[in-house]
Amino acid sequence: DQQVKQNSPSLSVQEGRISILNCDYTNSMFDYFLWYKKYPAEGPTFLISISSIKDKNEDGRFTVFLNKSAKHLSLHIVPSQPGDSAVYFCAASIRETSYDKVIFGPGTSLSVIP
Amino acid sequence: DAGVIQSPRHEVTEMGQEVTLRCKPISGHDYLFWYRQTMMRGLELLIYFNNNVPIDDSGMPEDRFSAKMPNASFSTLKIQPSEPRDSAVYFCASSLWHYGYTFGSGTRLTVV
Repeated sequence: DQQVKQNSPSLSVQEGRISILNCDYTNSMFDYFLWYKKYPAEGPTFLISISSIKDKNEDGRFTVFLNKSAKHLSLHIVPSQPGDSAVYFCAASIRETSYDKVIFGPGTSLSVIP
Repeated sequence: DAGVIQSPRHEVTEMGQEVTLRCKPISGHDYLFWYRQTMMRGLELLIYFNNNVPIDDSGMPEDRFSAKMPNASFSTLKIQPSEPRDSAVYFCASSLWHYGYTFGSGTRLTVV
């Protein structure tokens, strides 16, 4: 049973437009959320994060929104660029006893079309 | 900084053979993680270490999998005996704090 879900395996967007990647989670105890980006033949790289006490975090072209009541977060990329084409993983963290466990979603493959 | 270094990049082995994957974390990072990526399950955490001590190995699928971290600069993930369903990309990651992982480039394992 996946606790972090990314229901869209792939997404295509025109260059210059907004890309919106969605993520849903089931465990209300998650207290920190992250997005990672992965290019082919490379490991995932950390992109942006948000604490559960916030509803928005912005870093340049990337903004993450958190809706705790809906157990939903989204990553907005504006404007989208061809170099943004990659697989994006949503991740959530939960504190278990003395440490934090991070659970990744299955990923969404974004293609930005020039 | 060279980042997290994994070896080999690709490994093809026959069913039943022992496979050892290697990882060198970033110097100074005190967390090390082993993940497995498959199409069906995405990125799964197998095991992680804090200060060379295994903290959570609940993701290790079977007793055929074992991981060690003999010192702060080296870790291994061993599969013995290997099976075709173990075919996947295995990532090692390290971090100075729990969330901001730096991943290696991965080892693509194919068991035939």
